[in-house]
This record gives sequence, C-alpha cells and structure tokens, in this order.
Amino acid sequence: TQLLEQSPQFLSIQEGENLTVYCNSSSVFSSLQWYRQEPGEGPVLLVTVVTGGEVKKLKRLTFQFGDARKDSSLHITAAQPGDTGLYLCAGARGATNKLIFGTGTLLAVQP
Amino acid sequence: ETGVTQSPTHLIKTRGQQVTLRCSSQSGHNTVSWYQQALGQGPQFIFQYYREEENGRGNFPPRFSGLQFPNYSSELNVNALELDDSALYLCASSPPGPRRANTEAFFGQGTRLTVV
Repeated sequence: TQLLEQSPQFLSIQEGENLTVYCNSSSVFSSLQWYRQEPGEGPVLLVTVVTGGEVKKLKRLTFQFGDARKDSSLHITAAQPGDTGLYLCAGARGATNKLIFGTGTLLAVQP
Repeated sequence: ETGVTQSPTHLIKTRGQQVTLRCSSQSGHNTVSWYQQALGQGPQFIFQYYREEENGRGNFPPRFSGLQFPNYSSELNVNALELDDSALYLCASSPPGPRRANTEAFFGQGTRLTVV
C-alpha cells in the first residue's frame, strides 16, 4: 500500500512552461519534504513544510502544504532544462521520524 | 563540512551471498536511516539508527541488519541475497535538535547493488 501518491508520474514539457506536481495521502504527516533526484545520485532536499496551509518559495519553485497536512503541491514557474529530474515528496510520521516517500514524478524539460 | 558518503558506489553479488554497505554520516548528525530504492520507484525505509541503537524498522526481513558506530557511521548487512534485492541503497543522516529539523534527511549518493 502506497501511502503517498504523486501525480503525474511522468511529465515532459518545453522550456519556459509552468507545471504542478501533486502529492496526496489519506494520512496526516507531521512534516513533509520535497526532494529532487538525478540519475545515479541520492535525493537532494529542496524544502520542508510543517504547518498546514504553509507556502514556501524557492526561486521559481513554490511548495504548499495542505490545510489538513495530508497533501502537498510543487509548482515550477518557467521550467528550465536544469529542473529535469525525479521529484519525490516524503512525509514524516511517528516517533522514529522515518520518511515515507511518494511514488515520484519524473520531469523532463526540453530546451 | 563533509556530506554523507557511501561505499562502495557499485557492487555485483551472486544470489545467496552476503553484502555489507557502509555509510559515513554528515558531520554533527547522530541519526542514520537506510532506504532501498528499486528502479523507477521512491525509496522504501529499511531501518533507522540513533545513538547506536535501532530506532524503527520498515517492512524488511531479518536478513537485513545494521549497525551504528560511536562516530555515528553505519553499516547495512544483507544475508542470503535474492535477485529482488537488486536496488539503489541509500543512507541518510539527520541532525539532532527540534523535531522539525530531525525529520530532514540528507542523503548519500547511494550504493547500486546488483544481484545475479
């Protein structure tokens, strides 16, 4: 059973386009992280959101945590080829702080 | 400040063999977690170590075991390797401190294990 579902699974867009990636769950998380992973590398932390309704901006990336802390979204404005990669959301639950990862969204930005 | 480093980067083993993967945590981090990432999927939590003790375990059989050392580095051992164990094994360390900071994981580059 996958607790965190991401959509879309794959996305191929042209440079300059906008896009949104969704991360949905029926479970509540104490915090949620977004990571970007390139082939052959480990995931790199982009942002952590903790409060329901929280919005964080990182240059052209905007992250939102749902009011009920069950879902999140990542919006990229004016995508660039350097944004290409696997985007993963991950939620933290329980005393161990183990991360439950989403299914991933593979983004390809064509020049 | 050095990040999380893992060794080896690539490994090929035969079914039934045993393997040990190593991880050096980021400076100042006392929590280490191990994840298995199959091709095209998100990482799956194996277990976590905090101050040399196992602090939570995912849905993996007992042939997956680990250790954490006093310097917070860690090992992942897998016995009786199966073909399905082929994956990228990721180590992540987390800093001490308030709960919010402690949920952030900083990953190494991973060890690509192929079982043939």
